[in-house]
Amino acid sequence: QKEVEQNSGPLSVPEGAIASLNCTYSDRGSQSFFWYRQYSGKSPELIMFIYSNGDKEDGRFTAQLNKASQYVSLLIRDSQPSDSATYLCAVSFGNEKLTFGTGTRLTIIP
Amino acid sequence: KAGVTQTPRYLIKTRGQQVTLSCSPISGHRSVSWYQQTPGQGLQFLFEYFSETQRNKGNFPGRFSGRQFSNSRSEMNVSTLELGDSALYLCASSQGRTADTQYFGPGTRLTVL
Repeated sequence: QKEVEQNSGPLSVPEGAIASLNCTYSDRGSQSFFWYRQYSGKSPELIMFIYSNGDKEDGRFTAQLNKASQYVSLLIRDSQPSDSATYLCAVSFGNEKLTFGTGTRLTIIP
Repeated sequence: KAGVTQTPRYLIKTRGQQVTLSCSPISGHRSVSWYQQTPGQGLQFLFEYFSETQRNKGNFPGRFSGRQFSNSRSEMNVSTLELGDSALYLCASSQGRTADTQYFGPGTRLTVL
């Protein structure tokens, strides 16, 4: 059974600080990694995807992948109240289904 | 491009009834995946259809079924509804290639009384 683990939170971060969200996965053969954001009552929306080891930056967001340690993280710089949401990590191998973590609830404190 | 659409957005049924949910993917996308989301279990994968064929399947009972039409639109059916089937049902579409990004629709909120 392939598993994706996330700390459910809630994670509270002051406005303007860096929020760090972590995710570990069990399948060493996993190839694709995604971060989705889900506001309460809304559907998930894609923030970033990453396939290769290392960092990938997009605006205030940075995804970090370490395949040897089987973890992927999401950093949010200069956190804003609008970043308050649940963040879902998802992992897949080839054309296999996406496996989601249960999500980390992030609250940015003004 | 229009996003993924789902109908209906809200549904109330009673135990024992059946329900059909519909999903229209983004134009050009050939893959549609269905998920069930509940507060306790998070996002659980139901099944994926690609070019009218079921390509992947999750661990749900046979009461949950789906199909995909030649225009890539997909339907999901749940028969003999149970209270535990109350959830947000999400569909997501992608082009269907390896490691493609999935884009979610707004979901159908199903309540079983």
